[in-house]
Amino acid sequence: QLQLQDSGPGLVKPSETLSLTCTVSGASVSSSSYYWGWIRQPPGKGLEWIGTIYYSGSTYYNPSLKSRVTISVDTSKSHFSLNLNSVTAADTAVYYCASRQQWLVGFDCWGQGTLVTVSS
Amino acid sequence: ESVLTQSPGTLSLSPGERVTLSCRASQSVSSSYLAWYQQKPGQAPRLLIYGGSSRATGIPDRFSGSGSGTDFTLTISRLQPEDFAVYYCQQYGTSLITFGQGTRLEIK
Repeated sequence: QLQLQDSGPGLVKPSETLSLTCTVSGASVSSSSYYWGWIRQPPGKGLEWIGTIYYSGSTYYNPSLKSRVTISVDTSKSHFSLNLNSVTAADTAVYYCASRQQWLVGFDCWGQGTLVTVSS
Repeated sequence: ESVLTQSPGTLSLSPGERVTLSCRASQSVSSSYLAWYQQKPGQAPRLLIYGGSSRATGIPDRFSGSGSGTDFTLTISRLQPEDFAVYYCQQYGTSLITFGQGTRLEIK
């Protein structure tokens, strides 16, 4: 059974880089059967898609964040990562990693979420 | 890309009632790329419906999705106490995934 566990610092200073990792168990992160993604949710607000990566390395980013975002896969460590640079208070949110199966258009497996606060 | 607008923002209902939630797109969306999620406080979203009308694994049959073009709906036939939550629609565009702003279902 596929499981995702996201992790990373809960506090990041303004202008620095937010880095989160999602550890995958129950499937290979290099499998062609899955897309891996990141979604965030500011406190009390709705969901915002950040980006998605396929096993081939193809990435798809939200245009509003594209200039600051990098998503990558580390097959040796069975995880995928999110880097968001030049953060501001507006980037404070719960960050979720998620996956969708190649044939199913919807994120059907989610990590538990990590609250990241941007503050000095 | 299409903007998704959900209505109403909040609904107050009683267990046992039937409810229909609306998701309207600013541009036509293929139903194949329309999904619905449920989110409870402090939890990650859970996929309910994909492809506009297909229930995800383990989702009870009281949940159903329908629609086409710019108008999509999620119907819960008989509300159970555990169904009171926030519901989001989501669309997969050519280069962008977007969510609606959500509809909160609360107990009356």
